[in-house]
Amino acid sequence: DTGVSQNPRHKITKRGQNVTFRCDPISEHNRLYWYRQTLGQGPEFLTYFQNEAQLEKSRLLSDRFSAERPKGSFSTLEIQRTEQGDSAMYLCAGGISTDTQYFGPGTRLTVL
Amino acid sequence: AQRVTQPEKLLSVFKGAPVELKCNYSYSGSPELFWYVQYSRQRLQLLLRHISRESIKGFTADLNKGETSFHLKKPFAQEEDSAMYYCALSPRGSTLGRLYFGRGTQLTVWP
Repeated sequence: DTGVSQNPRHKITKRGQNVTFRCDPISEHNRLYWYRQTLGQGPEFLTYFQNEAQLEKSRLLSDRFSAERPKGSFSTLEIQRTEQGDSAMYLCAGGISTDTQYFGPGTRLTVL
Repeated sequence: AQRVTQPEKLLSVFKGAPVELKCNYSYSGSPELFWYVQYSRQRLQLLLRHISRESIKGFTADLNKGETSFHLKKPFAQEEDSAMYYCALSPRGSTLGRLYFGRGTQLTVWP
């Protein structure tokens, strides 16, 4: 067990609604990554935190997306005004320095 | 720009047969390469990384800089190897560690 947990595991929402996902890495993970995976594709990088600092954001992360990692522990990813194209699996990964990334089980978002 | 290509979306072999999952990359510098595996209803997990030069579950992968490839091989496939396999790249020297993934290859090992 890698220790990274994500909640909720599944989320169904209507277009235009806001959703928030949570990721809890283990305490040793000073690095935290968010990826998005759509059907038939590999995970795509969204954003990265070193402790509480957000150090990189992908161009995939439109202004409707925001991520936080207060106190350098858990992280949240919020999507505002969801669109059908946001339907995907959202993966969180924790790690230490540039060591292996340990993935959580993911949150599957369905936008109706 | 970094890119990872896995040309085979699906690969089927019989138990005991050799298996090779292909991975090609494009990157101007010296990358760090990984293979991740996802078994049915499980999370994505690291299988091996090229700098470790180790064999995990009988799998090996050699980085070929001339051909920009990092193919995953196993001489005798087992049914429990059936899974989705992803090749991933991290730019060497980057302090960020973000991964670039291929689209994945679904391996099925028939009894």
